[in-house]
Amino acid sequence: DAGITQSPRHKVTETGTPVTLRCHQTENHRYMYWYRQDPGHGLRLIHYSYGVKDTDKGEVSDGYSVSRSKTEDFLLTLESATSSQTSVYFCAITAQGGPPYEQYFGPGTRLTVT
Amino acid sequence: DQQVKQNSPSLSVQEGRISILNCDYTNSMFDYFLWYKKYPAEGPTFLISISSIKDKNEDGRFTVFLNKSAKHLSLHIVPSQPGDSAVYFCAASATSGTYKYIFGTGTRLKVLA
Repeated sequence: DAGITQSPRHKVTETGTPVTLRCHQTENHRYMYWYRQDPGHGLRLIHYSYGVKDTDKGEVSDGYSVSRSKTEDFLLTLESATSSQTSVYFCAITAQGGPPYEQYFGPGTRLTVT
Repeated sequence: DQQVKQNSPSLSVQEGRISILNCDYTNSMFDYFLWYKKYPAEGPTFLISISSIKDKNEDGRFTVFLNKSAKHLSLHIVPSQPGDSAVYFCAASATSGTYKYIFGTGTRLKVLA
């Protein structure tokens, strides 16, 4: 258990509204990630962070922004939600310190954009 | 362009038999590979990994094989159990630098009792 929580766990929102998802970790890991999981696409990286205020884009970053103002929290914001952003969102951390570099995932947030 | 491919969306295996899940990659810079298991309504959980300096890694009933020349890895589960029924994702990383991972699309394994 890597001490990762996500909130909310479920959300339904309307097209055009802003949405913020929160990832919280309790073990001071430096690297944090946001993925989305969709049928037929597996897990796709949206954004990741390698430290406070240090973030970078993943493969599907359009329409998403992130912020990390403190080590334990990594926020994902959909500025203006669209139906194509209906998905399950997972936060993850990398347990640094050498191989085997595994990632630990949070329980996920199911987002529905109507 | 899918850099990590799992070409079998689903697989059914009898309990007690071997399950073989396959994964192919295209980027020769990848040097670290991981397998994750995912149950419905839960986050993926790490299963086993392999570095490119090895061609095999075992952990209990799970063994991962890596064929670098073919850019292919496989996960063997022996013996398969009903509790192994889940979606399995392979992931690849080029460990020099970014700590980013590219995931495959997943294979749904069903172990029949």
